[in-house]
Amino acid sequence: GQQVMQIPQYQHVQEGEDFTTYCNSSTTLSNIQWYKQRPGGHPVFLIQLVKSGEVKKQKRLTFQFGEAKKNSSLHITATQTTDVGTYFCAGSGGSYIPTFGRGTSLIVHP
Amino acid sequence: DTGVSQDPRHKITKRGQNVTFRCDPISEHNRLYWYRQTLGQGPEFLTYFQNEAQLEKSRLLSDRFSAERPKGSFSTLEIQRTEQGDSAMYLCASSMDKANTEAFFGQGTRLTVV
Repeated sequence: GQQVMQIPQYQHVQEGEDFTTYCNSSTTLSNIQWYKQRPGGHPVFLIQLVKSGEVKKQKRLTFQFGEAKKNSSLHITATQTTDVGTYFCAGSGGSYIPTFGRGTSLIVHP
Repeated sequence: DTGVSQDPRHKITKRGQNVTFRCDPISEHNRLYWYRQTLGQGPEFLTYFQNEAQLEKSRLLSDRFSAERPKGSFSTLEIQRTEQGDSAMYLCASSMDKANTEAFFGQGTRLTVV
């Protein structure tokens, strides 16, 4: 079955440093979504990527979808303490059911 | 509509008891998903409904688990003869259609089996 791997599991940064999390799928994806989950909260949708090689930006966040539609990344520029949380990628195949990665927990030190 | 709502928020039960959780999705969403999340892990897919039809179930889903969505609106997830390993956060999510799989999650039901 479809598997989605995400690295790293944890990332500590100083406020102002950049952060990147990477996502890889065992199969070609129809689309990929990114979610953020704050401690004690539930996953909240950030963005969906559909096209091969697609790049989308949301303020300091940049999302990329690989040419082969099997990998993706999320990059945060100049992290802030409000960026703290766990970032999940979720890939969908032909059934369009999101399969989540394990997540990357971002810890920002002021 | 305030989003996806789940009830109860917390449930403590003794091993061997049955529990039932309810999910009310966003009203115009025809797709409804149940996921389970344990500490340090991502949400794990359990089952999915398109309207009232249960179209897919995880192979990991024990036969003690059953889900329904009788009128294509709210859904229930029942766990029979609970085990300590069932302790987790049970998340419900809904989305509009196949082309737009942006899923809106509820707050979840935290189950503790003692």
